[in-house]
Amino acid sequence: GAVVSQHPSWVICKSGTSVKIECRSLDFQATTMFWYRQFPKQSLMLMATSNEGSKATYEQGVEKDKFLINHASLTLSTLTVTSAHPEDSSFYICSANINYGYTFGSGTRLTVV
Amino acid sequence: LAKTTQPISMDSYEGQEVNITCSHNNIATNDYITWYQQFPSQGPRFIIQGYKTKVTNEVASLFIPADRKSSTLSLPRVSLSDTAVYYCLVGAADESNSGYALNFGKGTSLLVTP
Repeated sequence: GAVVSQHPSWVICKSGTSVKIECRSLDFQATTMFWYRQFPKQSLMLMATSNEGSKATYEQGVEKDKFLINHASLTLSTLTVTSAHPEDSSFYICSANINYGYTFGSGTRLTVV
Repeated sequence: LAKTTQPISMDSYEGQEVNITCSHNNIATNDYITWYQQFPSQGPRFIIQGYKTKVTNEVASLFIPADRKSSTLSLPRVSLSDTAVYYCLVGAADESNSGYALNFGKGTSLLVTP
């Protein structure tokens, strides 16, 4: 089946630094990818929709200058958390749709110290 | 996307059948019902999808009454490894090819104990 590979699976960074999370569609082309954030014991919250070759669409309340999304090819979308702060610590998940279904990456646990 | 309502949590013993019901009173004619499973620190995983009546796969069954205002995910003979959060989502199937994101509700946290 369609697989989205997400890396890294976990990362610890210092406050003020930037972290890049990658999502690759391994056996299909993803024109659109979605980025979610999930805090402990909460549901997934959509952050942004990433479109290949164009600007991402951000949900209300999500700072586009802080969460940089790049979707430069049909198989790769990246989310960069810039100037990370402890409150950015969360579980980040990417997703792509294919053939009337959705597939998700395995998630990235970000801890900012 | 139609709003869904599920129980926040459920408990079960191993070997029992678990039924999780989801209400979606405002489901549209072209909406499908899809269930996802999420283990801690993992991305959601597709379980089953249906439009009406009953759908069964190797993992679960999905029962949808004629009015489609609710659906029930049935997990036969659960094991400890079925402990997870289960999400019910409703949306048009063709939306998955048109850039529409899934909007997750709170889900149902299922705890299976020995």
